[in-house]
Amino acid sequence: DTGVSQDPRHKITKRGQNVTFRCDPISEHNRLYWYRQTLGQGPEFLTYFQNEAQLEKSRLLSDRFSAERPKGSFSTLEIQRTEQGDSAMYLCASSRGATLYNEQFFGPGTRLTVL
Amino acid sequence: AQTVTQSQPEMSVQEAETVTLSCTYDTSESDYYLFWYKQPPSRQMILVIRQEAYKQQNATENRFSVNFQKAAKSFSLKISDSQLGDAAMYFCAYRSATGGSEKLVFGKGTKLTVNP
Repeated sequence: DTGVSQDPRHKITKRGQNVTFRCDPISEHNRLYWYRQTLGQGPEFLTYFQNEAQLEKSRLLSDRFSAERPKGSFSTLEIQRTEQGDSAMYLCASSRGATLYNEQFFGPGTRLTVL
Repeated sequence: AQTVTQSQPEMSVQEAETVTLSCTYDTSESDYYLFWYKQPPSRQMILVIRQEAYKQQNATENRFSVNFQKAAKSFSLKISDSQLGDAAMYFCAYRSATGGSEKLVFGKGTKLTVNP
């Protein structure tokens, strides 16, 4: 049973560029979550998918951010026109759903640095 | 909106000793779940222990246990017989059990150092 994987692990980009991150959840998990973690803070929820449907979005997810999960498997998170304030660790998590605690399993994250 | 507060940015403990990490939360809901996650340096976050608000009995997982005080909205984590591998950031998290939201709301974390 492989865990949640994220690619790339690190991304350095210049302000104004677009970036895309990928998350592959645990294979039998139908729920997928994106969080953002800045230095010295806990993760903050961005969005959540159940299968291919995006069911919840945070107000943190501005118009420059878009997430997709086209076939209910992997997901992508795109940030357009990056700003220095977007520098953070972007965490993906997945869960099986339909369980009491619906435990979320986290990936290693993608660290974004915007210059 | 729910909030989670961890009032101890850093804690340290001697190897083999016991340490307690504090967490308080604010909610108007009666049913919810609480979690403690561990994030080792440069490694991914893993679940340590979990508790449902309706369960009176405090959860335990080997050396890890919680003190859940629902009326006080407190959810502290006790680590017994601390080991060097316990050194990490620890995050307390809240999830609603109603309304369909599945997001975790995290505190700012407590950095635990274990001294040999």
